[in-house]
Amino acid sequence: GEDVEQSLFLSVREGDSSVINCTYTDSSSTYLYWYKQEPGAGLQLLTYIFSNMDMKQDQRLTVLLNKKDKHLSLRIADTQTGDSAIYFCAESINDYKLSFGAGTTVTVRA
Amino acid sequence: DTGVSQNPRHKITKRGQNVTFRCDPISEHNRLYWYRQTLGQGPEFLTYFQNEAQLEKSRLLSDRFSAERPKGSFSTLEIQRTEQGDSAMYLCASSLGADQPQHFGDGTRLSIL
Repeated sequence: GEDVEQSLFLSVREGDSSVINCTYTDSSSTYLYWYKQEPGAGLQLLTYIFSNMDMKQDQRLTVLLNKKDKHLSLRIADTQTGDSAIYFCAESINDYKLSFGAGTTVTVRA
Repeated sequence: DTGVSQNPRHKITKRGQNVTFRCDPISEHNRLYWYRQTLGQGPEFLTYFQNEAQLEKSRLLSDRFSAERPKGSFSTLEIQRTEQGDSAMYLCASSLGADQPQHFGDGTRLSIL
C-alpha cells in the first residue's frame, strides 16, 4: 500500500531544533525524501536517504531512518525564520513514483 | 544550473475550456513526471515519461487529460473540457533516471471559474 503519514503542524522557537516525523508503508522503497514547500512555490528537494542507511547528516539537517518501524524523521538544528514552510516526506514506489504525506506546516516563532 | 521550468505560473479559465501547460525539465534528465496538488494535500502522481515514451498513467488521469513529450525534452499537459474539480497546482518534476531524486518546478496553478 501507499500511505505516508505525518503530523500536520509544528511550532518551534527560533534557535531551537525542529523534529518532523513520518511513517511510510512500502518496505521496498529505495529512497526516502524530504521536500520543502514555501507559499506559492513548488517543492524544493531538501535531502534524501538510501533505504540501507539509518542516518544522514547534511549541515543543519539530520535524517534518521528506522526501517523496521518504517519511521523517518527530519531534524533541523538552530531553526531560523526562513525554515517556516510545509515539509513533505515521500517514499519512492517502484522506480518512478513518489508517494507523499499531507505535509507538516512548520511555524518558527521569535 | 537551470532548474525545471513551468509555464504559465497561473491560469484562470472558465469551466468547459481547454488548457495546456508546458514543462521544461533539467536538460540532461531523461525522466519527466507530472503531479497534481490540491490545497492541504501532498502532490499526487499523474503520469511519467522516459524520454518520449509515456510509461505509466495514474487512475487520476481521466480521458480529458493528455500528456505528451514529443522529442523527449519538454512536455505538455492538456486538460479538455475543464471542470471545477480540476482546480489545483500542477507540478512537473524531472530526474536523471530511474529511482533518482526528482526535482520539481514551481508549478502551474489552475483556477476554474
